[in-house]
Amino acid sequence: GAGVSQTPSNKVTEKGKYVELRCDPISGHTALYWYRQSLGQGPEFLIYFQGTGAADDSGLPNDRFFAVRPEGSVSTLKIQRTERGDSAVYLCASSLIPGIQETQYFGPGTRLLVL
Amino acid sequence: RKEVEQDPGPFNVPEGATVAFNCTYSNSASQSFFWYRQDCRKEPKLLMSVYSSGNEDGRFTAQLNRASQYISLLIRDSKLSDSATYLCAVNMYDQGNLIFGKGTKLSVKP
Repeated sequence: GAGVSQTPSNKVTEKGKYVELRCDPISGHTALYWYRQSLGQGPEFLIYFQGTGAADDSGLPNDRFFAVRPEGSVSTLKIQRTERGDSAVYLCASSLIPGIQETQYFGPGTRLLVL
Repeated sequence: RKEVEQDPGPFNVPEGATVAFNCTYSNSASQSFFWYRQDCRKEPKLLMSVYSSGNEDGRFTAQLNRASQYISLLIRDSKLSDSATYLCAVNMYDQGNLIFGKGTKLSVKP
């Protein structure tokens, strides 16, 4: 079956611009997670959705970052006024249900480069 | 102190070697433990969940020591295809998100 998909696979933008990153989870998965991975680091949690609502957004670094999941499936991560420090791979993951034992399946990521 | 710390890499080993990775976690409320494998420029993929009793999957063995707050991954009879970065991840009782270590890079040489 289809895994988690993310678009675009690569995004180059200029400092100060607005970007949207899309995640399409595995069909039927109710939990969706966004992580960010910088070079040489492990993935760092950003935000987690149960259905349509953000269950935990404590990892968002500041108010330039925002994410939505209006219909409980596809999610969009939005970054305003991008900065060079936002350059990273943005990973999306989904799990069948929320839960600490549930396997999270990752998408291939979006590589964001802010010039 | 970082919440999850891993052995610094890289580990360079010959084919057939046995290699062990350790990972320590700082929060005793951590409930679930995982090892992920990440190939270069790819997404992390679950290798193993780690259970209290320890678990084995072919050449891979994972152990959990709650008293000392560490988990380990043992790879026996290393293959060239085992070359990757191995990420340790934990999550807490009331949190859905995973907390990852930096990863340990393994290179298996012929």
